[in-house]
Amino acid sequence: QLQLQESGPGLVKPSETLSLTCTVSGGSISGSNYYWGWIRQPPGKGLEWIGNIYPSGTTYYNPSLKSRVTISVDTSKNQFSLKLTSVTAADTAVYYCATLGRWQPSYWGQGTLVTVSS
Amino acid sequence: QSALTQPASVSGSPGQSITISCTGTSSDVGGYNYVSWYQQYPGKAPKLMIYDVSNRPSGVSNRFSGSKSGNTASLTISGLQAEDEADYYCSSYTSTTTLVFGGGTKLTVL
Repeated sequence: QLQLQESGPGLVKPSETLSLTCTVSGGSISGSNYYWGWIRQPPGKGLEWIGNIYPSGTTYYNPSLKSRVTISVDTSKNQFSLKLTSVTAADTAVYYCATLGRWQPSYWGQGTLVTVSS
Repeated sequence: QSALTQPASVSGSPGQSITISCTGTSSDVGGYNYVSWYQQYPGKAPKLMIYDVSNRPSGVSNRFSGSKSGNTASLTISGLQAEDEADYYCSSYTSTTTLVFGGGTKLTVL
């Protein structure tokens, strides 16, 4: 059974960079033909797709976040990561990592709340 | 990209059937069969309930079914149970190689 676990700081200062890592267990990122992605949910609001990465390194990003987002993969550690620069309070959200088969998130991490505040 | 359109809330009594709609465009819902539905309880991660418009993952009750007509996808829950009370989201692949979600629907079991 595939399991995903997000990790990273729960508090980030405005204008700084949010960095999260997703550790995958129960399966190999490099051996898969799935996408690996990040999705966020501001408190009390709906889901927003951030972006995906394929094991080859090909990335796809939400156009509204593209200028600030980088998703990378480390197959040796079976992890993939999210960096979001120049954060503001609007980036406060629960951040989920997920695996996507045919662009459909199937397995999700439990989520991690990131608060942007000074 | 614009979010898919879902009703903010729906409700039904135990044993009844309800349907949640998810309306997009020919560039997303209408153009691809990569439409899926998620159930989310408060404080929990979303759970995949339907993929590829109408397929259920192993372990999901057959009371949940999905369909699509034109630019609108639908999730139907039959034999409504108290445990079905949750938020439901749809998602779709788009022609610009992105993923878009619906705004979410709160299901209340009366």
